Amino acid sequence: NAGVTQTPKFRILKIGQSMTLQCTQDMNHNYMYWYRQDPGMGLKLIYYSVGAGITDKGEVPNGYNVSRSTTEDFPLRLELAAPSQTSVYFCASSPRNTNEQFFGPGTRLTVL
Amino acid sequence: GQQLNQSPQSMFIQEGEDVSMNCTSSSIFNTWLWYKQDPGEGPVLLIALYKAGELTSNGRLTAQFGITRKDSFLNISASIPSDVGIYFCAGRSESNFGNEKLTFGTGTRLTIIP
Repeated sequence: NAGVTQTPKFRILKIGQSMTLQCTQDMNHNYMYWYRQDPGMGLKLIYYSVGAGITDKGEVPNGYNVSRSTTEDFPLRLELAAPSQTSVYFCASSPRNTNEQFFGPGTRLTVL
Repeated sequence: GQQLNQSPQSMFIQEGEDVSMNCTSSSIFNTWLWYKQDPGEGPVLLIALYKAGELTSNGRLTAQFGITRKDSFLNISASIPSDVGIYFCAGRSESNFGNEKLTFGTGTRLTIIP
């Protein structure tokens, strides 16, 4: 099993550009999450999903969108990139009824 | 929203020393988790705790779920160079049953002085 994979690993965007961060898990986990981690800070939840077709906002959803058309994939969309979205983005997944989230390696995004 | 206070923020120790860090919450949690993050990588789960008073070990790591359900502790014995990294606590409250949302602490950065 590859676990949770994220692409790309690094990306530089100009203000106003859009992009999609990809996340795939091969563990058949129901729950998936997107976090952002700013320098020296903990993880802030952006969006989460408890199953295909179901998504909900986390703590910091503004400026982002998600979709969950399959169990495996949970892409995160930035429509109009802003410097405040410069961060490291982590995707995670967990099985139903456990709290043990497994994280991907992260995407480091810089918006200039 | 829920907050987790993690302390200390950073630790500078010598190889072989024992390490203790803790996490406190403003509300009751039903689950406590401890993660380690190496530079440039995602957090990796170390220990999960599900019951008040529970004491669980993973090699040289031992974690405890506080009796009040508002705190948790992580101890590392006889530290080695590969222990360097950032340690995060995370907790899940009863209100998040069903979506399994976690609240993360701000991390403890562990550095080993040669």
